Amino acid sequence: GENVEQHPSTLSVQEGDSAVIKCTYSDSASNYFPWYKQELGKRPQLIIDIRSNVGEKKDQRIAVTLNKTAKHFSLHITETQPEDSAVYFCAASKRVGGADGLTFGKGTHLIIQP
Amino acid sequence: NAGVMQNPRHLVRRRGQEARLRCSPMKGHSHVYWYRQLPEEGLKFMVYLQKENIIDESGMPKERFSAEFPKEGPSILRIQQVVRGDSAAYFCASSPYEGLQPQHFGDGTRLSIL
Repeated sequence: GENVEQHPSTLSVQEGDSAVIKCTYSDSASNYFPWYKQELGKRPQLIIDIRSNVGEKKDQRIAVTLNKTAKHFSLHITETQPEDSAVYFCAASKRVGGADGLTFGKGTHLIIQP
Repeated sequence: NAGVMQNPRHLVRRRGQEARLRCSPMKGHSHVYWYRQLPEEGLKFMVYLQKENIIDESGMPKERFSAEFPKEGPSILRIQQVVRGDSAAYFCASSPYEGLQPQHFGDGTRLSIL
């Protein structure tokens, strides 16, 4: 089955700096890659996603890049703010007959230092 | 437009009792997914259901766990004869229709086993 590795497990950056979180996946059939943000005790919230026919996608301060050949994808957050502090999860799925369960990475605890 | 609704938010059970977790998908969503999150870990896929059908239960433990999504009413995740290791947050997600992500999550049920 699919295996998603996520690094780093903890990332501390100064407010205003950029943060990059990286994930690799094992199943070349995977073609959908969402990123979720989870604050303590809250639900995971989708912040951005990318499909395999796209190499990069941006939404304001957040961008995701995908390299299908190398089987890795990354989340980039620019101009970080205190409210960006949370745990971020990458995930992957392949569409076997349609939608399917997501395989998640173990998460990155992002800490924004004031 | 109400989001994914899960109840109860917190559930306490003694070892050997049964736990029933309920999930109502977003309006217009016909696909439901259940995930389990252990403390300090990522989410693990358990089961994917459509109305009256289990599509993929590859992540479900073979014993004591079952799920259903009846024609009317919420999806139910049922855990029989609970053990301490069942303590976790259980999240439900829903998506619109076949082949189209993304999945949106509910607030989860925190299950504690005494």
